[in-house]
Amino acid sequence: GAVVSQHPSRVICKSGTSVKIECRSLDFQATTMFWYRQFPKQSLMLMATSNEGSKATYEQGVEKDKFLINHASLTLSTLTVTSAHPEDSSFYICSAFAELRTDTQYFGPGTRLTVL
Amino acid sequence: DAKTTQPPSMDCAEGRAANLPCNHSTISGNEYVYWYRQIHSQGPQYIIHGLKNNETNEMASLIITEDRKSSTLILPHATLRDTAVYYCIVTSGTYKYIFGTGTRLKVLA
Repeated sequence: GAVVSQHPSRVICKSGTSVKIECRSLDFQATTMFWYRQFPKQSLMLMATSNEGSKATYEQGVEKDKFLINHASLTLSTLTVTSAHPEDSSFYICSAFAELRTDTQYFGPGTRLTVL
Repeated sequence: DAKTTQPPSMDCAEGRAANLPCNHSTISGNEYVYWYRQIHSQGPQYIIHGLKNNETNEMASLIITEDRKSSTLILPHATLRDTAVYYCIVTSGTYKYIFGTGTRLKVLA
């Protein structure tokens, strides 16, 4: 149990285009999901907290107009990278908070974004 | 900034116990200690968490000192598949995780 999926696992896009990444909790409901970014050989950096039915809360330094987050249901949150540039190339990871189970975050497998 | 400090790397012989330390000297009374690991190019995997009592599950044991300022994750019989970066995280009710640099554990054959 407590499985989180992400789609796609890898995406390559041209500079200036937008990319949408989906994060789903498969066997539990998650009122709160989190989005992280990880550059090579670095740790995970929290980007934003996504709450079902309300606006996301972004960490300092993260552009909310560039990284659009939508948490429309209790099992799905999406991250859209708008007008992507090569410096947005990174490993994007989501997690879902299993509040009613173990008070634990479970992480998705990650999405590798490459912007050409 | 992360509220934890961990050694950057450790080696462990296969079949031996791996003891990974974590310092969290500024931990508050309502904050939990969580451990995750990340195998290359994958999402972090939950291992164990605790508040003040020692905890054990099928993967590992967590030993928290009485003053709660440090903890140790114990993998009782390390295998090559346990090679990963291990993260110790301190968090409270919001469960917002701030990752530190973690410990890169290498299990040697």
